[in-house]
Amino acid sequence: GAGVSQSPSNKVTEKGKDVELRCDPISGHTALYWYRQRLGQGLEFLIYFQGNSAPDKSGLPSDRFSAERTGESVSTLTIQRTQQEDSAVYLCASSEWGPIAFGSGTRLTVV
Amino acid sequence: QKEVEQDPGPLSVPEGAIVSLNCTYSNSAFQYFMWYRQYSRKGPELLMYTYSSGNKEDGRFTAQVDKSSKYISLFIRDSQPSDSATYLCAPSDLGRLYFGRGTQLTVWP
Repeated sequence: GAGVSQSPSNKVTEKGKDVELRCDPISGHTALYWYRQRLGQGLEFLIYFQGNSAPDKSGLPSDRFSAERTGESVSTLTIQRTQQEDSAVYLCASSEWGPIAFGSGTRLTVV
Repeated sequence: QKEVEQDPGPLSVPEGAIVSLNCTYSNSAFQYFMWYRQYSRKGPELLMYTYSSGNKEDGRFTAQVDKSSKYISLFIRDSQPSDSATYLCAPSDLGRLYFGRGTQLTVWP
């Protein structure tokens, strides 16, 4: 596709449920990133995939968060046992090198 | 100390003003320097990027990097109401980007 695609665009879930967020990067982009943006806050790094290298997971806030990437394509961010503080916009981005392009994000609301 | 410091504003200017947005950073390994613009309820969009120190101009926008002082600037000339958004600086060490908090800019007609 022309840009980074994320689904769903909005997700409302009950506290304690698991959620999966999907990201389709731009074709050919070897790097893929997940960021989180809480209301009125800056972007918080979560995880970074680069080709076949081990991902940089240093930003994941707890072991309830995990992410996978299939080759150099789709990535899934999973949040287990969601908490209200997980409510945020989850942004995916991809790049070939240098500048990265963002998707529109998934707005997650935990009620 | 955070990796990237950016004054969150808000900054409010009249149409036609010159806007100066700034960030400081602490990691001397940063090599690429990006500026993103984010409209309300949208993902960030890349505005400009520069490599190492120097200036880069694109229309009404000029990005400056001074690696010796670890200082990043974005200038907007002849600002327009459509420039109203949050501007995020994001240096990179060729891995992930490190974002500032963003500066909220309002340009009023």
